[in-house]
Amino acid sequence: QVQLVQSESELKKPGASVKVSCKASGYSFSSYAMNWVRQAPGQGLEWMGRINTNTGNTRYAQGFTGRFVFSLETSVTTAYLQISSLKSEDTAVYYCARDFAMVSDFWGQGTLVTVSS
Amino acid sequence: SYVLTQPPSVSVAPGQTARITCGGKNIGGKSVAWYQQQKPGQAPVLVVYEDSERPSGIPERFSGSNSENTATLIISRVEAGDEADYFCHVWDSNTDGNVFGPGTKVTVL
Repeated sequence: QVQLVQSESELKKPGASVKVSCKASGYSFSSYAMNWVRQAPGQGLEWMGRINTNTGNTRYAQGFTGRFVFSLETSVTTAYLQISSLKSEDTAVYYCARDFAMVSDFWGQGTLVTVSS
Repeated sequence: SYVLTQPPSVSVAPGQTARITCGGKNIGGKSVAWYQQQKPGQAPVLVVYEDSERPSGIPERFSGSNSENTATLIISRVEAGDEADYFCHVWDSNTDGNVFGPGTKVTVL
């Protein structure tokens, strides 16, 4: 069965970096793009962008350029989200989600990133 | 950028029908998906895609429609377990971007 397993919660200080992993199993990893979605505390879902798991091409949504980087390690069927120069407003749950025809059909369990001094 | 609107909340009695709307300019020309999130911080679940299709494992009680400027998620014979936040979603071809609605909290009375 399709599974997306994300890394554990992180507590980081402002200015630090964090790398969230998303390990995929149960399907052909390179056949589906991977979306990343953010949910700030008490807020809705916000699409951050996606990465083509076949070519590595990325598409970042407005507001998620510069400090946010999507990457892959296809040998271990894992996608990554790296956020640099963390700010308190980056505190959120970050989800990876498999892209099926521009719909996120399977989601990871989410990774809480807390940015606090 | 494309904007979706949803009512903040909908209340429904058990056994009744809940209708959750999603407004957008000419949304009838787009493919709408709906996600259920039981609690904030829990992974959303896809319940409807392509306006009215159900993924495997989603009960037939969940259905959808889409026309002109409004898409609707319909939950028939509502159960206590349907209490959750529901988000509509479209892909905006103009910007090649995914757009989520603000979400509707469904309360089962």
